[in-house]
Amino acid sequence: AQTVTQSQPEMSVQEAETVTLSCTYDTSESDYYLFWYKQPPSRQMILVIRQEAYKQQNATENRFSVNFQKAAKSFSLKISDSQLGDAAMYFCASHSNSGYALNFGKGTSLLVTP
Amino acid sequence: DAGVTQSPTHLIKTRGQQVTLRCSPKSGHDTVSWYQQALGQGPQFIFQYYEEEERQRGNFPDRFSGHQFPNYSSELNVNALLLGDSALYLCASSPLAGGDNEQFFGPGTRLTVL
Repeated sequence: AQTVTQSQPEMSVQEAETVTLSCTYDTSESDYYLFWYKQPPSRQMILVIRQEAYKQQNATENRFSVNFQKAAKSFSLKISDSQLGDAAMYFCASHSNSGYALNFGKGTSLLVTP
Repeated sequence: DAGVTQSPTHLIKTRGQQVTLRCSPKSGHDTVSWYQQALGQGPQFIFQYYEEEERQRGNFPDRFSGHQFPNYSSELNVNALLLGDSALYLCASSPLAGGDNEQFFGPGTRLTVL
């Protein structure tokens, strides 16, 4: 079984600044995928970024990037140039290649202040 | 292109009743997963359907059952409702089960059990 831990229930960042959300995971699988999902107050969950565990290069999507430390089982999300629209719950999730379920952490609530 | 749709948006039931939630996957997707998201928590995997069969099940009692139709839409049924079943129920679809295939989420059905 895979477990995902997000140790920061809430984070705050000023507009245009950079913030990093932490995530650690535990798995015995060798082949797996990691994701960050965003859930705005409207509730619709959307994918922010994904990382294949076999790739050493950290994934990047515009202002969003990850720091994937496989040995430490750490997968943090960095948001650069934060915008008001980035305010949401952010969930870290894992998915093994031998299963079909997404395993989510408890989430981090991100507040963006002007 | 319609995304994942769910109905109803909100539902109020009393303990002991039965409920059916519905989901239509994104066009071109044939795999549907259901998640339960309690207030302040991350989503928990209930089960996944592919080719009208339950492919994988999470740690949920038999009171939770599902069905997938030939057009790939799906239903989640919950019998003998408990107060603890109050949650946001999310449906997610993907073109193929497993791997790095993105799961696209619907807006959810908010179930309140009184």
